[in-house]
Formats: sequence, structure tokens, C-alpha cells
Amino acid sequence: TQLLEQSPQFLSIQEGENLTVYCNSSSVFSSLQWYRQEPGEGPVLLVTVVTGGEVKKLKRLTFQFGDARKDSSLHITAAQPGDTGLYLCAGALTGKAAGNKLTFGGGTRVLVKP
Amino acid sequence: DSGVTQTPKHLITATGQRVTLRCSPRSGDLSVYWYQQSLDQGLQFLIQYYNGEERAKGNILERFSAQQFPDLHSELNLSSLELGDSALYFCASSVVGTGATEAFFGQGTRLTVV
Repeated sequence: TQLLEQSPQFLSIQEGENLTVYCNSSSVFSSLQWYRQEPGEGPVLLVTVVTGGEVKKLKRLTFQFGDARKDSSLHITAAQPGDTGLYLCAGALTGKAAGNKLTFGGGTRVLVKP
Repeated sequence: DSGVTQTPKHLITATGQRVTLRCSPRSGDLSVYWYQQSLDQGLQFLIQYYNGEERAKGNILERFSAQQFPDLHSELNLSSLELGDSALYFCASSVVGTGATEAFFGQGTRLTVV
């Protein structure tokens, strides 16, 4: 069982549709990041959320951190083919013993068809 | 460009051999992480170093080892290679202690074991 569970694992939608990706855990995170990875490339950081209930917007992407800092969501409005990729959430556990190690979810593969 | 440099970009080697992957972190980043990504899979955390010392260990095989040098570059050594070790290996670096652990990834090394 992964510490961070992402759902769905795969999402195929038409251009112009909206989509939401979820990242859930039973653990509390001091911060949570979302990354996008394209084939053969390294993940690229999209956003970091640190405060429970925080909402951040990046153009058509809206990120929300749960009030209890255990979960997060990524919503894309009017998706475009350029949004295609593997979306990964990652969290840093609270506490000194956690060592600031980033834990990644399994990823959600998004395909936006023109 | 994330500022993290990984070499080589591609590596093809035979079973039983040993290889070394190299990573130069972003300027100023003290923490280096190594991840393994098999085909169409998520990121599996291998190991983290902070300022030359091992900070956290993930699912790293005994055949694998890593170190971080005084100039902060890191090397991941993979020995007695097996076909199943074929994967993308990513290095990431971050600044620890800023309140949010954001990782910046290199382009990865694609290892093919034949």
C-alpha cells in the first residue's frame, strides 16, 4: 500500500473537458507538491501547497490542499492536448524523523485528445 | 532547465555488469534524492543524501549503493545488473529546511540491461 494514493490511475478525455485528480493519504504532510512528467523527461514541479485548506491557481489548473493536510486535488479546466502527461503528487511527512524525504504517489496518466 | 545534471543520458550494458550514474545538484542544494522509474510506473524512492550523509533509505537493493561527495555531487552504483534493473533513474535535489521540500529533477538516465 502506497503512502499516497492517487486516483484515477488513468484518465482519457476530450479537449475542452474538465478533469480532477485526487491524492489521498492517512498521514499528515508538512507540504505537498504536484509534478507533471512527460515521456522520457524528469518530473517538473507545478505547485507546492503548505497550509491546510490552501487553494492555488496556475492558469487553468487549480490545486487544493485538504484542511487536515492529508489529501489534495488537482483540477484542470478546459483541458488541452498540451496537458497530456503523468501527474504526480508528492508529500513531505511532518516531524524531524521524516527527514524531508519526498514520498510520491503512483501517478495519474492523463490523455487529452484533440 | 531544472539545474540538475545527470550523466549519462543513456546506458546500455549486459547482465552482471556494474555501472555508475552521476548527478550534479542545483547550486546551493544540499539534499540529493535518487528514484527509479520502471516502464509506465511511478517513482520509487531509492535513497536520499544530505550534505554528504545518508538521510533516508527507500526500497534500494543491496546490489545498489550511493554516495554524496564533498562537492555535493552524487553517484549511484548499480552492480550485478539484472534485466529487471532496466529503468529510468532520476536524481533530484532540494533545499532542506525551508518549510517545504520541493524537488527539482534531472533529465534522468535510461538504463537498459541486455
